[in-house]
Amino acid sequence: QSVLTQPPSASGTPGQRVTISCSGSSSNIGSNTVNWYQQLPGTAPKLLIYSNNQRPSGVPDRFSGSKSGTSASLAISGLQSEDEADYYCAAWDDSLNPVFGGGTKLTVL
Amino acid sequence: QVQLVQSGAEVKKPGASVKVSCKASGYTFTSYDINWVRQATGQGLEWMGWMNPNSGNTGYAQKFQGRVTMTRNTSISTAYMELSSLRSEDTAVYYCARGLRVRGVIKAIGYWGQGTLVTVSS
Repeated sequence: QSVLTQPPSASGTPGQRVTISCSGSSSNIGSNTVNWYQQLPGTAPKLLIYSNNQRPSGVPDRFSGSKSGTSASLAISGLQSEDEADYYCAAWDDSLNPVFGGGTKLTVL
Repeated sequence: QVQLVQSGAEVKKPGASVKVSCKASGYTFTSYDINWVRQATGQGLEWMGWMNPNSGNTGYAQKFQGRVTMTRNTSISTAYMELSSLRSEDTAVYYCARGLRVRGVIKAIGYWGQGTLVTVSS
């Protein structure tokens, strides 16, 4: 029952481009920016994208983000085996508190 | 570099309380709010609340109001999260986290502790 809605799973083959969607409402994505996190098994989340489409230093440009209305997407191009992880979207709500999606498990076939 | 180092795993009985610590280094502790986020096994991320280490002001998610207390000790750059009246559903990894500031504005939760597993079991 996460505030933001993501597909539970996604998959792709090496070199392919995959996208992960994130759906919210006017009180979160619709009025605030979206962030994306990558979580490898047994580790803490790592910030991949902030402010809809900005990459922190050190994040490869294979990762990109976009937002439209109350939805957002994370795209991964040139898929690599090390990209296999859980991906979470997040946004600020009207109280400027963070809300998260339920996560998408990405499998590299 | 920014580091948030949390205390070790805990096992508690239902009804007990747990207190998790988060020691910050690599930046001025009082300059950034500390957030706490938890993750049950195989589940998503759940925000619990924030604390301003400078003022001690806090803000808690409604779900945890009355059960969670966030405090700090500025002399040792450490934040604490105490959760009381534990039940089995509180079994989770608890993370402390700090914001990423870009051009003076917090843009995201950008730095995370390594997590602390709290197991609630009779």
